[in-house]
Amino acid sequence: EAQVTQNPRYLITVTGKKLTVTCSQNMNHEYMSWYRQDPGLGLRQIYYSMNVEVTDKGDVPEGYKVSRKEKRNFPLILESPSPNQTSLYFCASSPQYTDTQYFGPGTRLTVL
Amino acid sequence: AQSVAQPEDQVNVAEGNPLTVKCTYSVSGNPYLFWYVQYPNRGLQFLLKYITGDNLVKGSYGFEAEFNKSQTSFHLKKPSALVSDSALYFCAVRVPFRGGYQKVTFGTGTKLQVIP
Repeated sequence: EAQVTQNPRYLITVTGKKLTVTCSQNMNHEYMSWYRQDPGLGLRQIYYSMNVEVTDKGDVPEGYKVSRKEKRNFPLILESPSPNQTSLYFCASSPQYTDTQYFGPGTRLTVL
Repeated sequence: AQSVAQPEDQVNVAEGNPLTVKCTYSVSGNPYLFWYVQYPNRGLQFLLKYITGDNLVKGSYGFEAEFNKSQTSFHLKKPSALVSDSALYFCAVRVPFRGGYQKVTFGTGTKLQVIP
């Protein structure tokens, strides 16, 4: 089944404890992206990747890192999480940057 | 900078009545426009898109949208609403950026409530 998977789905952590949210797609898509969803703000793009080893900042990149070492994986790294990063995170992929995006199920992160 | 506005936080409509969810955009360049739907506790699902061509775009579940360049709008419509259409709807825009790299901007979302 074609899909985007994210892990973990739920995570409660404490301020400053490094964490990684994984994202994987099995559709051989070139473009991948991370978003955060907050009430009243919609989805905001954190980082995106056009292909392996090619990444760029979205609108809200501060406090996040990404890497794209393999085409299928695009992990989101929070080196030192803070409470303002409490949010619902979505990973998405698309065949090309012009195309429809396929979204993962989301990761609900709480930073205490 | 590109932006997308969904002016209504919530739209209420009676089952069987036509529905409209509004979206306006501000971009430089030719936009690629999308509508996505989010059901509770789920990721976003694609509904329809406008890239080029016919201004009226038909999508999934009987939804359609009309691209209006002069009004910079891309309103989502359905002739007859179903209770199962109740969900959160997002408009999104992609614009060519830095020689082909494209950012995506989403609206803040509109909650559609279809009343039986």
